[in-house]
Amino acid sequence: NAGVTQTPKFQVLKTGQSMTLQCAQDMNHEYMSWYRQDPGMGLRLIHYSVGAGITDQGEVPNGYNVSRSTTEDFPLRLLSAAPSQTSVYFCASTRDRGRTGELFFGEGSRLTVL
Amino acid sequence: GDSVTQMEGPVTLSEEAFLTINCTYTATGYPSLFWYVQYPGEGLQLLLKATKADDKGSNKGFEATYRKETTSFHLEKGSVQVSDSAVYFCALSAYNNNDMRFGAGTRLTVKP
Repeated sequence: NAGVTQTPKFQVLKTGQSMTLQCAQDMNHEYMSWYRQDPGMGLRLIHYSVGAGITDQGEVPNGYNVSRSTTEDFPLRLLSAAPSQTSVYFCASTRDRGRTGELFFGEGSRLTVL
Repeated sequence: GDSVTQMEGPVTLSEEAFLTINCTYTATGYPSLFWYVQYPGEGLQLLLKATKADDKGSNKGFEATYRKETTSFHLEKGSVQVSDSAVYFCALSAYNNNDMRFGAGTRLTVKP
């Protein structure tokens, strides 16, 4: 019963490097999203997708790219990492994207940018 | 814009103590309110929710009542256990998942 799987769990980058955080879900959820979690600020939405081929920006999209080629996968790309992107990243999915829907989260990916 | 404010932690309690974590919100319209919990090394998971005023959400001994008059959704548990040690997040959603807003989180540690 995998749910939402994120890789890697930990990553250290140097400023300017690029990388991709992977997210996969096996619940056939149409809606997927990426959040970042920073101390004292809760979770903030980066990008989201309502289905394969459809993505849109959230509250803090700058410096990140996403794509959604399949229902299962929703990778998050950092094109040129900056220290301000040091954070814990969570991928989430749901079947019900209305205001009452429950989000299912991955275990998180801790990224440090030096 | 919509926002959630929850009490700052960390909160440290002894086993069997009474727990209250305060959460207040600002929103247009009539949002749904949620409490999510994050156990060490895990992602967030839904603890309970309430979708309209005066609703009470409950799960695993935790309760929270949606109070429109005080714009609050305080989390309570009558007798905490060591296994309740986690970070608790209050959240609201006014229209859909895209606009879900999370509080900063409150870390609870329960000592034997």
